[in-house]
Amino acid sequence: KNEVEQSPQNLTAQEGEFITINCSYSVGISALHWLQQHPGGGIVSLFMLSSGKKKHGRLIATINIQEKHSSLHITASHPRDSAVYICAVYYLTQGGSEKLVFGKGTKLTVNP
Amino acid sequence: NAGVMQNPRHLVRRRGQEARLRCSPMKGHSHVYWYRQLPEEGLKFMVYLQKENIIDESGMPKERFSAEFPKEGPSILRIQQVVRGDSAAYFCASSPLRTGARGAFFGQGTRLTVV
Repeated sequence: KNEVEQSPQNLTAQEGEFITINCSYSVGISALHWLQQHPGGGIVSLFMLSSGKKKHGRLIATINIQEKHSSLHITASHPRDSAVYICAVYYLTQGGSEKLVFGKGTKLTVNP
Repeated sequence: NAGVMQNPRHLVRRRGQEARLRCSPMKGHSHVYWYRQLPEEGLKFMVYLQKENIIDESGMPKERFSAEFPKEGPSILRIQQVVRGDSAAYFCASSPLRTGARGAFFGQGTRLTVV
């Protein structure tokens, strides 16, 4: 079982729809990161969360530490939101350094 | 302030050749992380380096792979005698000393294809 599970794996939406991508993790974490990767492109950081909720434009990220679950929401989705969204969690190793563990990503396609 | 620069963006190698992937961290960043993204797989940690030091290489394959981050110049991920299974996207991230991994910025990646 992966330490970080994302759902759904693939998501197709119509422009304007409200999108939710989920991330569940099994390791104890110090923070959680949502990343965006465009086809053939680099990786861009969207949010880093350790509690509560963050909002940036049409993007909202929430985290529930007790339930080990985070969601990424996109309001009024647009074709340019089409990308792979990756959840990654930071956890402390026995040696005291922080490591990132990644989910496999959710491929979002928003049709006009 | 340029972002994390990786080159080349695309690299094609024949089986048995060597691949050298370069990563220039953001200005002022002293920590470099390398990650590999295999087709249909998530990103996996490979190695964490500071200037002239390998801090954690627990994700590096035991053979053929090596990494360095010299005092001057970019960090290099070197793959000797490449095989088809090495075909992947290799991402580098850098962060300043004070933030560690959670302050890291990612590069555009190098897509290695072994033919």
